[in-house]
Amino acid sequence: EAQVTQNPRYLITVTGKKLTVTCSQNMNHEYMSWYRQDPGLGLRQIYYSMNVEVTDKGDVPEGYKVSRKEKRNFPLILESPSPNQTSLYFCASSLRPGQGNYGYTFGSGTRLTVV
Amino acid sequence: DQQVKQNSPSLSVQEGRISILNCDYTNSMFDYFLWYKKYPAEGPTFLISISSIKDKNEDGRFTVFLNKSAKHLSLHIVPSQPGDSAVYFCAAILISNFGNEKLTFGTGTRLTIIP
Repeated sequence: EAQVTQNPRYLITVTGKKLTVTCSQNMNHEYMSWYRQDPGLGLRQIYYSMNVEVTDKGDVPEGYKVSRKEKRNFPLILESPSPNQTSLYFCASSLRPGQGNYGYTFGSGTRLTVV
Repeated sequence: DQQVKQNSPSLSVQEGRISILNCDYTNSMFDYFLWYKKYPAEGPTFLISISSIKDKNEDGRFTVFLNKSAKHLSLHIVPSQPGDSAVYFCAAILISNFGNEKLTFGTGTRLTIIP
């Protein structure tokens, strides 16, 4: 089954304790990205990646890091989490524009709470 | 600066009737527009996309219309079914000269289908 898999689904952590949220896709998509969803603000892009070793900032990159060492994986790293990073996070992947039914496939989400 | 706006936070439609969800944008350089459906505790599900060079795209019960002069797009769902009750997001993609993609989401419209 074609899908984007995020882990963990739920995470509660303390301020300052480094964490990684994993994201993996099995569709051989080149593009991957991370979003956070907050009430009243919709989905906002954190980072995106065009391909292996190519990443760039989205709208809200502060406090986050990403890496794209292989095509299928795009982990999101919070080096020193703070309470304002409490949110619902989504990973997504997509074909290139013009390839097939172009549109992003999203994972099921990771609900992160930083206390 | 909200470049993609969904001005109606909610919409109720009778089952079997047409649901029309609206979206306005400010950046005339957007290359693609997409519609997503989202249920609570799940990732957004891609519905349909349209290139900026087209004015209509149809897929089953879903049709997206793009009016570039008005910077407006709409999603029509015909006929509406109870399973269509969800939050709908429109999104726009800007592709840079280098191929970088930036996806911007609206804040969503909650659609309720009344049996």
